[in-house]
Amino acid sequence: DIQMTQAPSSLSASVGGRVTITCRASQSISGYLNWYQQKPGKAPKLLIFTTSNLHSGVPSRFSGRGSGTDFTLTISSLQPEDFATYYCQQSYSMPPSFGQGTKLEIK
Amino acid sequence: EVQLVQSEAEVKKPGESLKIFCKTSGYTFSTHWIGWVRQMPGQGLEWMGIIYPADSETRYSPSFQGQVTISADESNTTAYLHWSSLKASDTAMYYCARLLVGEDDYWGQGTLVTVSS
Repeated sequence: DIQMTQAPSSLSASVGGRVTITCRASQSISGYLNWYQQKPGKAPKLLIFTTSNLHSGVPSRFSGRGSGTDFTLTISSLQPEDFATYYCQQSYSMPPSFGQGTKLEIK
Repeated sequence: EVQLVQSEAEVKKPGESLKIFCKTSGYTFSTHWIGWVRQMPGQGLEWMGIIYPADSETRYSPSFQGQVTISADESNTTAYLHWSSLKASDTAMYYCARLLVGEDDYWGQGTLVTVSS
């Protein structure tokens, strides 16, 4: 099975700031990397699919890039509603697997 | 409209069995992988396993192999997650989710399972 490693596990940032979260797969996943946002008590929501494609309705301040085993999620111009936990997920092999999550908190 | 509606919260004792369900509608159930994700209190998301209803092919994550059983009933367009003997460590929120295809991503609302003596 494919292991996904996210960093950092938590970070604080200010409204208007910019953050980058990294995700590394234990083997190449051919771009099948997705990013989710989860708020307390809610199911996860898809932000980005297959590395860099923005899900419908997701603001353009979210962006993803990467290839092979290394991927990033960047959020520019942070808004109050962006403070949440973010997960990467590989969908190259089944079942899929998640990274351990990154909790983004307000500074 | 695609919907995944899960069963209500459960409170069980260690050693008891439990089957929770995920009732789907709005798409062709048979030809889409569907699975279960566990979230223990304060912890991250873990895919438990996934099933293809048309032929019942099931794939489990190593941590969950032998610990749970995933099944699907095409006639009821419903997926199930079954425990034969619950442990306190099974206390968690469980989500069903249809496997992401393109940007089509669907999740149930979650079922909270509490196992306590």
